[in-house]
Amino acid sequence: QEQLVESGGGLVQPGGSLRLSCEASIFTFRSYGMHWVRQPPGKGLEWVAAISYDESKIFYADSAKGRFTISRDNSKNTLYLQMNSLKPDDTAVYFCGKDRLWESLYFYGMDVWGLGTAVTVTS
Amino acid sequence: DIQMTQSPSTLSASVGDRVTITCRASQSISGWLAWYQQRPGKAPYFLIYQASTLDSGVPSRFSGSGSGTEFTLTINGLQPEDFGTYYCQQVNRNFPFTFGPGTKVEIK
Repeated sequence: QEQLVESGGGLVQPGGSLRLSCEASIFTFRSYGMHWVRQPPGKGLEWVAAISYDESKIFYADSAKGRFTISRDNSKNTLYLQMNSLKPDDTAVYFCGKDRLWESLYFYGMDVWGLGTAVTVTS
Repeated sequence: DIQMTQSPSTLSASVGDRVTITCRASQSISGWLAWYQQRPGKAPYFLIYQASTLDSGVPSRFSGSGSGTEFTLTINGLQPEDFGTYYCQQVNRNFPFTFGPGTKVEIK
């Protein structure tokens, strides 16, 4: 069964940094686009960033531009999200998701999701 | 930027009912739309991509339609396990991949 496992969440002060990781298993990670999505407590889903299978296409939500960096290491089957200058509004559960189609520079939606990792930004 | 809206925000229906959720984009996204179901405390579950293509293993009572700026998700014959919040997401590369605010479906 295809699986994604996020890690790296935790408690951080405003202005601090965290790096989230998402390790993939069972599927051919290097052939799929990947996303980060977050969900603040009690609220809806918010898309954060996406990266194509070959890293040639990278997209960010306005809330992430200039502060967050998405990257991937296909040799380690791992997706990353480097988060800097964190704010209390960044408090959320962060999910990674695998895009639906194989080796596409377009994005179709996420058919495999991790269970999420919680990030809390507070002083 | 692009805005996604959904209606209704909440609906209550009985088992066996036909349920329709509408998603609107503030600009044309052609057919670049996905739908998800999320139950409380769980990760989202992928239902539909390209506005109308059912993902593998998704029950056939779910269907999607639309293009441009208006889209619908229909559940024909609501089942008890269909409770939760439904989200649309635009995936047109010309815009951020914004989610709609969600539609909460309750079973009467």
